[in-house]
Amino acid sequence: SQQGEEDPQALSIQEGENATMNCSYKTSINNLQWYRQNSGRGLVHLILIRSNEREKHSGRLRVTLDTSKKSSSLLITASRAADTASYFCATVEISGGGADGLTFGKGTHLIIQP
Amino acid sequence: GAVVSQHPSWVICKSGTSVKIECRSLDFQATTMFWYRQFPKQSLMLMATSNEGSKATYEQGVEKDKFLINHASLTLSTLTVTSAHPEDSSFYICSASRNSPLHFGNGTRLTVT
Repeated sequence: SQQGEEDPQALSIQEGENATMNCSYKTSINNLQWYRQNSGRGLVHLILIRSNEREKHSGRLRVTLDTSKKSSSLLITASRAADTASYFCATVEISGGGADGLTFGKGTHLIIQP
Repeated sequence: GAVVSQHPSWVICKSGTSVKIECRSLDFQATTMFWYRQFPKQSLMLMATSNEGSKATYEQGVEKDKFLINHASLTLSTLTVTSAHPEDSSFYICSASRNSPLHFGNGTRLTVT
């Protein structure tokens, strides 16, 4: 099932700029995860942030989580052409959710122009 | 390296034929694997949970006789699209869990002509 809503749906920026994507969800969660999907490929796990965490970094990625607003953001700094992909947030709900434990958002398609 | 391998990467078949897609966990045992379907520019839709040694659990609206799932070993699950029709054309992805989070295969692009 889907509960997340990413915005924007699509984003095109110049190489070197920062890209910010947002995700909103509806229920109480254990954690929130961000995945990347290159065109025609599977999903690659990027980062997981737990419900008691507010910010997490991994390389050029910075994820924030605001459980009071039920929202998360993914920031990619100093973007590269290779960052062009679709980005999905997925939540692990405290109760309910899918059999796989994940509830995916609709995704943001990011295009980095060289 | 990839921990979940999916094969084939793409397949084109004629309407009415059946297509088998394999999902292998390469370096761990997966008692549970998941199968998804993804339409263009949309998110993943969970189709079914593949359970080793037992019947798969299908999500609501997914035809179990249409999408046959077999999980005969701890490292292999197969999805067979039976009597495929053009509306079955889609991107199919599998996943397996090793100490969370899920690891996804690279997907199979199915085109039914």
